[in-house]
Amino acid sequence: AQSVTQLDSQVPVFEEAPVELRCNYSSSVSVYLFWYVQYPNQGLQLLLKYLSGSTLVESINGFEAEFNKSQTSFHLRKPSVHISDTAEYFCAVSEYNNNDMRFGAGTRLTVKP
Amino acid sequence: EAGVAQSPRYKIIEKRQSVAFWCNPISGHATLYWYQQILGQGPKLLIQFQNNGVVDDSQLPKDRFSAERLKGVDSTLKIQPAKLEDSAVYLCASSLGPGPYEQYFGPGTRLTVT
Repeated sequence: AQSVTQLDSQVPVFEEAPVELRCNYSSSVSVYLFWYVQYPNQGLQLLLKYLSGSTLVESINGFEAEFNKSQTSFHLRKPSVHISDTAEYFCAVSEYNNNDMRFGAGTRLTVKP
Repeated sequence: EAGVAQSPRYKIIEKRQSVAFWCNPISGHATLYWYQQILGQGPKLLIQFQNNGVVDDSQLPKDRFSAERLKGVDSTLKIQPAKLEDSAVYLCASSLGPGPYEQYFGPGTRLTVT
């Protein structure tokens, strides 16, 4: 079965600084990859996803993630963060041939003024 | 568009008691998921329904947990009897289908077992 490792449990950064949240996965087959975000006192919501095609995917609020098959990674990046990006970010993987979605443990991003 | 509804939002019970959670998915969503999220961990899939059939329940502790999705719409998740380690947030999500489709999550039910 597939698994997901988020390498940082907490990432504190200052406003307008760049950030990278790391995600590695393990699977023996092709996968779909997702980043979900949970803002304070809100439910989980999809940020972006990789299904196929271009390995670089973007969200509407400036985040991007790149699928790297050789390194089995799907790191999330933003060149300049805002206070409003403070949230918990979850990386998730789903294998092509089964329906099981596996989530990482999450990375808490805290943006400080 | 109404989101995924869950109730109750909070529940406190003593160990060995039973508890039930309810979920109403987004209209038209064929796939429904129940997740358990323990503090400090990511969501863990407990059971997945496609319409009213179970697709995956490999991580559901079947000796104490049960779930059903009558008529392929609403779903209930039950724990009987509860243990201390069941304290967690129980999340319901729905999607148009399995695999690549976006999952829409409800607000969750926070269960505390004392």
